[in-house]
Amino acid sequence: RKEVEQDPGPFNVPEGATVAFNCTYSNSASQSFFWYRQDCRKEPKLLMSVYSSGNEDGRFTAQLNRASQYISLLIRDSKLSDSATYLCVVNMGSSASKIIFGSGTRLSIRP
Amino acid sequence: NAGVTQTPKFRVLKTGQSMTLLCAQDMNHEYMYWYRQDPGMGLRLIHYSVGEGTTAKGEVPDGYNVSRLKKQNFLLGLESAAPSQTSVYFCASTKTREGTDTQYFGPGTRLTVL
Repeated sequence: RKEVEQDPGPFNVPEGATVAFNCTYSNSASQSFFWYRQDCRKEPKLLMSVYSSGNEDGRFTAQLNRASQYISLLIRDSKLSDSATYLCVVNMGSSASKIIFGSGTRLSIRP
Repeated sequence: NAGVTQTPKFRVLKTGQSMTLLCAQDMNHEYMYWYRQDPGMGLRLIHYSVGEGTTAKGEVPDGYNVSRLKKQNFLLGLESAAPSQTSVYFCASTKTREGTDTQYFGPGTRLTVL
């Protein structure tokens, strides 16, 4: 089992739709969680951190479920510019070697 | 600020050749990382550094060496390139303790080994 797993997609949704994807992690002692966005042939960039109580940034909502060991990302009122790959990142320990990236979920928004 | 920069952007090598990838950051960050990204896989950590003069192995260090002689620079070396090292290489840096801070990535180096 991979340490961090994501549905690779692609998710193909119409503009204005709401879309959500999950990321599961294997280590229950994981300490911090992030969503990064990566555009085609570009570098990853931080989208948002994921806090225990859940957090929202505009159209984006991130949630953490420690009991079931997953994090989620919800995008409301999706825009064409949301098309990208979304990477789940989990810090499983106190060392840099414990920062694990998921393989990403590809999202395509159609007009 | 330029942030994190990488040179070169593209490179084609023949098996057995050597090369050095340069990463530079102007944010005065303590921590720097080298990752590789392959299709269908997440970014995998090659080596990292927690400060000038220090380096440590990550998940996939074999075939690579690194050096951090200056705080702002982190070099990744391939002594004898192999086709399995064909990948996109990303450098990243963080200001403070790893894992709790935003990683800032460079634009990547696309390396092909024939």
